[in-house]
Amino acid sequence: EVQLVESGGGIVQPGGSLRLSCAASGFIFKNYDFHWVRQGTGKGLEWVSGIGTAGDTHYPDSVKGRFTISRENAKNSLYLQINSLRAGDTAVYYCARGEDCTGGYCHYDGMDVWGQGTPVTVSS
Amino acid sequence: EIVMTQSPATLSVSPGERATLSCRASQSISSNLAWYQQKVGQTPRVLIFGASTRATGIPARFSGSGSGTEFTLTISSLQSEDFAVYYCQQYNNWPERTWTFGQGTKVEIK
Repeated sequence: EVQLVESGGGIVQPGGSLRLSCAASGFIFKNYDFHWVRQGTGKGLEWVSGIGTAGDTHYPDSVKGRFTISRENAKNSLYLQINSLRAGDTAVYYCARGEDCTGGYCHYDGMDVWGQGTPVTVSS
Repeated sequence: EIVMTQSPATLSVSPGERATLSCRASQSISSNLAWYQQKVGQTPRVLIFGASTRATGIPARFSGSGSGTEFTLTISSLQSEDFAVYYCQQYNNWPERTWTFGQGTKVEIK
């Protein structure tokens, strides 16, 4: 079964740090791009980071310098390091599968696999 | 950064009726647009990519159109399971790779 499972969320004080993890199974991890997307309670979806098969990383301006996405292909795992946490970072964080680069040909069919999400609460 | 604007915020439709959702990009994104459906308590599901290609397993009543800055998602005959929030998403490669979601359109029962 194709699956993504996030972990690492929790309650953190403002200014603190957190490292989220996403474990993949059921497909060839190294062939895909991945993303982190967050959603505040009752809010919409917000893309917060992406990583390509070559390890290239991408962020929106709103989180540059505080968020770091990384991957470890040998462990079929994706990570998100969040520093200097603030109240506005409170959300459920989802990992999602992106572009498929199997065989060297890359195509984006949308974010087609999502984890169940891990909640992050920033509060004193 | 590219801003995606969806309209309307809420769409009230009766079952069996047609629903038309709009999405506008702040600059041209060619056909680099996807649509997602999110039901309450569930994760998003991709419906459309490449502006008009249905994802695997998506019913034919869902269709996407548009290019450049104006896009539309049409649900030809709303079923009870289609009442949800719909998001558009751009994926742009120049000058840097970015992905941006619209704020969502809630399709509710009239």
